[in-house]
This record gives sequence, structure tokens and C-alpha cells, in this order.
Amino acid sequence: DAMVIQNPRYQVTQFGKPVTLSCSQTLNHNVMYWYQQKSSQAPKLLFHYYDKDFNNEADTPDNFQSRRPNTSFCFLDIRSPGLGDAAMYLCATSFPWVAGKNNEQFFGPGTRLTVL
Amino acid sequence: SQQGEEDPQALSIQEGENATMNCSYKTSINNLQWYRQNSGRGLVHLILIRSNEREKHSGRLRVTLDTSKKSSSLLITASRAADTASYFCATHDSWGKLQFGAGTQVVVTP
Repeated sequence: DAMVIQNPRYQVTQFGKPVTLSCSQTLNHNVMYWYQQKSSQAPKLLFHYYDKDFNNEADTPDNFQSRRPNTSFCFLDIRSPGLGDAAMYLCATSFPWVAGKNNEQFFGPGTRLTVL
Repeated sequence: SQQGEEDPQALSIQEGENATMNCSYKTSINNLQWYRQNSGRGLVHLILIRSNEREKHSGRLRVTLDTSKKSSSLLITASRAADTASYFCATHDSWGKLQFGAGTQVVVTP
């Protein structure tokens, strides 16, 4: 089945130790998104790729970086995780927005990051 | 900043009852979408309603949209224990981005 896969599902890192979360998709979608979701809060968009074009949200901290080496894979790098970065990180994909077309996003199961 | 505000924050009902949750938003939209999230999992798209539509149905789901009031509602009829989840509305802007509300946590007891 076509899907969005995130690895690992659970990640524990130490304060300040770089960590990389990965996302892959078999849907062949042009757009990939990374969201941060803290407990009992709405998902918050960090950035997205439209093909190779990277789009950063204005309030995304510099500590967060992303790479998309090809259509299928996208990585979230947290250079120096702080305690406040503990959250669920959700990857999603979609086709590009076209007026009048459905633009649902397909989400992976998420990676729960713990920072010790 | 958060676009959608959801009401209520939490809802507890018994199987067979209907569950209604509301979403208000601030700016103009292209469409509004509802997503479901089981505990500790990703979001699953439920239904999309376009800005020129007023009501949409999908199985036991009914969504309404009132653009003059900038509000939407999601009704789940004949709820089941498996409907226990958090439900998020998300507005889709002209840049193709989704902004999510804080969600309504629904608990359906057998």
C-alpha cells in the first residue's frame, strides 16, 4: 500500500546531541512537510519542500534543518536539541495545491522525540 | 499562529450518541479539512469542504461550513468506541498550507 513511513517511531537523545529523523513516501507526492506537535496541541508546520524547493516557516528555529535528497525521502535534523524540542514530529505529503482540487495531506505515524 | 479554534476541547459521550464539534477561523480560506488522530499516531484525513460548499457528508460524518461566520462543524452520528480520538480542523490557505486548530478530544464509552 502507498504510504508515508517515519523512522524511528521513538527517538531518545541527549540535550545538545544532534538527531536526525527520517521520512519516506511511496505516494510520489511533490510536497513533503514536517510538523512539530507538542502534547495536546495542534501540529505546527516547520517547513515544507515542493520538489527540491525548500520553504521555511518564519518562526521555525535555526536549530531545525531539513534535507530532501530525492522525491521519496526527507530528513529532519535537529542540530542541538533542547528540552523544549521534545515533541511528536509528523511528516506529511501531498500533491501541489491546485485550485478546485482536493489537497489532503497524508501523514506518517510520527516520531516521538524525547530529550534527556 | 493558530488559525482554527475548536470547541469543545474535550467531549465524552456514550456509544450510539452523536458527537458535534465546532471550529472557528480567522482569515479567508480555500477549503477546510477535518483530520482524526488516534493517541500517539499520525493524522488521518476525514473530509474536505470547499469554501463554496455549505454541507458535506461522508458515511457517519457530516460537515458544515459557514464562511460568513468563519465557522465549521463536524458531526459524527451513532458514535462507536473506535471513534475515540482527537479531531482537528485545518484551514487551507491560498499558499497551499494547512493551519490546524487545537483539536477536540473525543472519548466514546461502550
